[in-house]
Amino acid sequence: GAGVSQSPRYKVAKRGQDVALRCDPISGHVSLFWYQQALGQGPEFLTYFQNEAQLDKSGLPSDRFFAERPEGSVSTLKIQRTQQEDSAVYLCASSLFRGGVSAGNTIYFGEGSWLTVV
Amino acid sequence: KQEVTQIPAALSVPEGENLVLNCSFTDSAIYNLQWFRQDPGKGLTSLLLIQSSQREQTSGRLNASLDKSSGRSTLYIAASQPGDSATYLCAVENYGQNFVFGPGTRLSVLP
Repeated sequence: GAGVSQSPRYKVAKRGQDVALRCDPISGHVSLFWYQQALGQGPEFLTYFQNEAQLDKSGLPSDRFFAERPEGSVSTLKIQRTQQEDSAVYLCASSLFRGGVSAGNTIYFGEGSWLTVV
Repeated sequence: KQEVTQIPAALSVPEGENLVLNCSFTDSAIYNLQWFRQDPGKGLTSLLLIQSSQREQTSGRLNASLDKSSGRSTLYIAASQPGDSATYLCAVENYGQNFVFGPGTRLSVLP
């Protein structure tokens, strides 16, 4: 597609429910990032993939959060047993090359998946 | 751990004013600094990228400066317009290729 696509755009989950958020990066993009943005805050890094390899998951807040990118394209962020503090916008971003912007990349963000846990 | 702060948190100005948004970061060992714009319900759009070796970048009515040694960047918006209303986020890229974002400045430009 023309840009980074995320689905669902909006999700309301009951506390304790599992959710799965999908990211379709720009075709051919090697790098994929997930960020979490709480209301009124800046995005916070969750995890980074280079193709199918998850090279950095240091930002995942707990073992209830799991991300995968099995074929090096589409990625899924799964949150198990959701809690109210998980309510946030989950942003996906992709870039063509390995590495960050300093490596000559331009990073493209999706519009986010808005998760509300009630 | 890198921390990024932005001042002011919110700003409301009449159309036509020149603005300065401030960003500070605690660890000067950055690869680059980027300013993003975020509209309500939307993702992030990159405005300006300053590499660590650069001092400023300009794009149209926007000018961003970087003083790496003091851990500061400013985004200057000239002749503001209502269409400039959005949240402006500053982000630094450390080793590891992920961004550390500030909390943003919410800008309202009144017609």
